[in-house]
Amino acid sequence: AQTVTQSQPEMSVQEAETVTLSCTYDTSENNYYLFWYKQPPSRQMILVIRQEAYKQQNATENRFSVNFQKAAKSFSLKISDSQLGDTAMYFCAFMKLALTSYGKLTFGQGTILTVHP
Amino acid sequence: DTAVSQTPKYLVTQMGNDKSIKCEQNLGHDTMYWYKQDSKKFLKIMFSYNNKELIINETVPNRFSPKSPDKAHLNLHINSLELGDSAVYFCASSRASGGADTQYFGPGTRLTVL
Repeated sequence: AQTVTQSQPEMSVQEAETVTLSCTYDTSENNYYLFWYKQPPSRQMILVIRQEAYKQQNATENRFSVNFQKAAKSFSLKISDSQLGDTAMYFCAFMKLALTSYGKLTFGQGTILTVHP
Repeated sequence: DTAVSQTPKYLVTQMGNDKSIKCEQNLGHDTMYWYKQDSKKFLKIMFSYNNKELIINETVPNRFSPKSPDKAHLNLHINSLELGDSAVYFCASSRASGGADTQYFGPGTRLTVL
């Protein structure tokens, strides 16, 4: 079974600064996907970024980028130029790449990020 | 247009009652899911349906019965509600299962059992 751990229950950052959220995972699988989801106070779950384990290059989406360390089983999210709208709970998630995964996402406990003006 | 919609958004009910939450997606996706987010914000998958067929049932009590009348709808019926069922329930959909197609989530239904 897979487990996902987010060791930072809460983080805060000043507007325009950079913050990094940590995520580690445990799996015996070799092929999988990793995701970061954002849940703002509105409760809506929004995909921020995803990473395929077979790709060595770290994924980036505008101000969001990841540092994927497969050997260390680490998947951190870096938010650059933080904006007030980035205030949300962030979830790291794992999905096995296999037909038998049936799309099952395993989530971490979440990190509450507050961006201060 | 809302991609994944759920009704109701809030549901307050007494212990022992039976209630349903409805989910609809207009994305043309084949796979739909139910997730439960507990009071500590922990998210866990409950069910997954692919083309109206159940493919994941994560040891959920049989008081919970999902029903998929067609690919665009996945409803969740809960019998004999208990205090511990209080949570936010999210519906999601993806183009297919087994790959890493993005899952699109609904707005959630906050269920409070008194």
